[in-house]
Amino acid sequence: DTGVSQDPRHKITKRGQNVTFRCDPISEHNRLYWYRQTLGQGPEFLTYFQNEAQLEKSRLLSDRFSAERPKGSFSTLEIQRTEQGDSAMYLCASSFSRNTEAFFGQGTRLTVV
Amino acid sequence: AQTVTQSQPEMSVQEAETVTLSCTYDTSENNYYLFWYKQPPSRQMILVIRQEAYKQQNATENRFSVNFQKAAKSFSLKISDSQLGDTAMYFCAYLNPNFGNEKLTFGTGTRLTIIP
Repeated sequence: DTGVSQDPRHKITKRGQNVTFRCDPISEHNRLYWYRQTLGQGPEFLTYFQNEAQLEKSRLLSDRFSAERPKGSFSTLEIQRTEQGDSAMYLCASSFSRNTEAFFGQGTRLTVV
Repeated sequence: AQTVTQSQPEMSVQEAETVTLSCTYDTSENNYYLFWYKQPPSRQMILVIRQEAYKQQNATENRFSVNFQKAAKSFSLKISDSQLGDTAMYFCAYLNPNFGNEKLTFGTGTRLTIIP
């Protein structure tokens, strides 16, 4: 197991287009988290899953954002009708339980032009 | 809501010196976890050290140690014998482990540069 994997690493899209990112967590981890990190800031929580159940969503996650984790394995984060303000690094993390270390992926850097 | 504050946007030290990064947080909870994460340039974030709030003993991991002051809500990171590979962004983070509220809350980070 090579850790948390995110795809793509970089995405440039035109404003108004839809984009989808994928995260593959560490295989035995049942918790999966999405964070957004803008330049010069710390990561901000977006949403998290326990297995396939989405347990919490941040108010940052507008109705243009949707996340899924079918069968409790990989997860996808979709942004519809992208805006320039969506430009950021999108980080995925996974953990075995709520008390254990979260392992992060390398992130997907989104640029909306 | 919990908040995490890192008041030092940037720091630099000579190689082999000791450096301390500051972090304060605000919470009304009694049970929680605190973390320091390291984010090297263009690389993924990795855990440096963690502290459980119910433990009075400060956590230590090799050259990294913390000074956890629960009453003052302070959680500083000390890096001893700093090395070039320590150059990175360092984020302090808070976790409330209660079910349904498990997200990490991060500070804005401190950019640490180790000078050869």
